[in-house]
Formats: sequence, structure tokens, C-alpha cells
Amino acid sequence: KQEVTQIPAALSVPEGENLVLNCSFTDSAIYNLQWFRQDPGKGLTSLLLIQSSQREQTSGRLNASLDKSSGRSTLYIAASQPGDSATYLCAVGGSEKLVFGKGTKLTVNP
Amino acid sequence: DAEITQSPRHKITETGRQVTLACHQTWNHNNMFWYRQDLGHGLRLIHYSYGVQDTNKGEVSDGYSVSRSNTEDLPLTLESAASSQTSVYFCASSESTSGRAYEQYFGPGTRLTVT
Repeated sequence: KQEVTQIPAALSVPEGENLVLNCSFTDSAIYNLQWFRQDPGKGLTSLLLIQSSQREQTSGRLNASLDKSSGRSTLYIAASQPGDSATYLCAVGGSEKLVFGKGTKLTVNP
Repeated sequence: DAEITQSPRHKITETGRQVTLACHQTWNHNNMFWYRQDLGHGLRLIHYSYGVQDTNKGEVSDGYSVSRSNTEDLPLTLESAASSQTSVYFCASSESTSGRAYEQYFGPGTRLTVT
């Protein structure tokens, strides 16, 4: 059974700092990995999708990497801003279904 | 613009009542999913569908049912609501191609309280 772990559960950083969020998974037989952002009381917004054949994806200040063999993914956020404050969720795709981690709650302080 | 909507956004019901949560997507996606989100558990898959007339059980399907009569809708029914089903429910959809998983798009969620 696939298990997805995100460490740390919460992170507080000053504005402008570069930061890395971690995601690990137990079964390397995945189709893709997706990073989401969730604001309080809101739905999930997809940030980046990495197919199993890819090593990384970039969107603006965000860069996500995937190492299937070690069961790890990282989300790098450059030059963090207070507007980046949210919970970030990692989800691993085995066939069509996603298995989610519990998320990392990020707070960026002005 | 294509979107995925859920209704109602908030619902309070009593134990034992039947409740149906609606999910409607205009992406024309074959795949649709229902998740629940609880503190300490994250998002867990309840039911999913790969197309019209297709439904499948997820990780936490007991006490829930779905039906898929068209591409756009996947209603989630709680047959007899229990306090343990108090949660936030999310619907999602994605394209489908054999051997490749596509990005999932999520609705805004329904907050259900069972008293």
C-alpha cells in the first residue's frame, strides 16, 4: 500500500527566503506526482505535475523534482512571499488514483 | 472556462438522514473522484469513476455510494449519515488515457456536519 509522508508538518520562514518542502513515498511504481496548494477553507490548486519519466518541472518561482528510485520529491520555492503562505500537499499517482501526504503548512512572515 | 462545482458548500444534517452531495464538471473528463479531508488523516479516496456507469470503491467507501449516469456528474450519497462522516468533501476530475495519469482538478469542497 502506497504511503506518502511530508516533513516538516509546519514551517515558518521570513520573507525572501528560498525553501524546500519534502515528500517521500514507499512504492516507486508511480505514474506521476502532483504538488497542490490549499488555502484555509478552500479547495486544492494544482501547482506542478511531474510524470514518472520526468526529473523536474518548473513554474515561475516553483521547481519540483522527482527521484523515483529513492522515493522522494522536493518542492523548491524561490524568494518566498507572504502570499505563499498555505498548506502544500504532495500526491502520488498510481494509475489514475492519487495518494496524498498530510501536507506542510507554510507561513511566510513579512 | 471549464470548471468543477460542488453543492451545497455547507450542509448540516442529523444522524440517520440520507444526504447527497453534488459534483458537476464541465471539463468533459472521464475520470471523477470523491475524497474526504480530516485533520490528522489528510485526503482519503472514497469512490471513483472512470466513465459512465462505472463506479469503484476507494479507501474509505463504507457508508457512501455513487452513481454515474452521465459524464458531467458524480453525486455522492451518504445512506444514513453518522457523526464520523462529519468532514470536508472534495470532488475531482481528470482526463484518462491508458497507461498515463493526468492532472486532477478539484472542486471547492463541501463542509458537512452531522449532528
